[in-house]
Amino acid sequence: AQSVTQLDSHVSVSEGTPVLLRCNYSSSYSPSLFWYVQHPNKGLQLLLKYTSAATLVKGINGFEAEFKKSETSFHLTKPSAHMSDAAEYFCVVPTGGGNKLTFGTGTQLKVEL
Amino acid sequence: GAVVSQHPSWVICKSGTSVKIECRSLDFQATTMFWYRQFPKQSLMLMATSNEGSKATYEQGVEKDKFLINHASLTLSTLTVTSAHPEDSSFYICSARELRLAEETQYFGPGTRLLVL
Repeated sequence: AQSVTQLDSHVSVSEGTPVLLRCNYSSSYSPSLFWYVQHPNKGLQLLLKYTSAATLVKGINGFEAEFKKSETSFHLTKPSAHMSDAAEYFCVVPTGGGNKLTFGTGTQLKVEL
Repeated sequence: GAVVSQHPSWVICKSGTSVKIECRSLDFQATTMFWYRQFPKQSLMLMATSNEGSKATYEQGVEKDKFLINHASLTLSTLTVTSAHPEDSSFYICSARELRLAEETQYFGPGTRLLVL
């Protein structure tokens, strides 16, 4: 069964420095993968999705993620963090034949001045 | 596009009462809607999948008689927490999948925070 593991529960960066949020997947084939962001007391917003068209996926707000089959990873990156990026980030994989989404445990991103 | 709303955004109720939460897709038709719950500082856990015009499919461990789901139209699903107890206090989030797109993307509502006293 497909699953995702987010390696860090908390990540803290300084404003203007790069962001790296790690996600590894477990699947017998190349799955679709998503990153969602959740700001405090708000709904989840889709940042980007990988659907096998291109391994480097660009999303909203300057985020991107690279699908690496050899490492079974789909890490989320951003060159320069902004205060508004502080939020909870979820790596997500479709399961149940694509009819459901299974969420990783989440990574809380803190951005400091 | 692809906006999902939830109402109410927060609710406080007494133990033993029932609470209804609405989930609407505002600018698209949703074949399928999903209900999740999220405890503080935890991930989202799928409770049930709701298809328009048919009975909801509940995940293992979720009591269908406690969490009643109705998906009466392609734009509205409701979750009723019956005889609520303090342990039902949580953040409930719905999502919807668009009818015309054969893909897995779900669009999420802003969530409903339930506090049972």
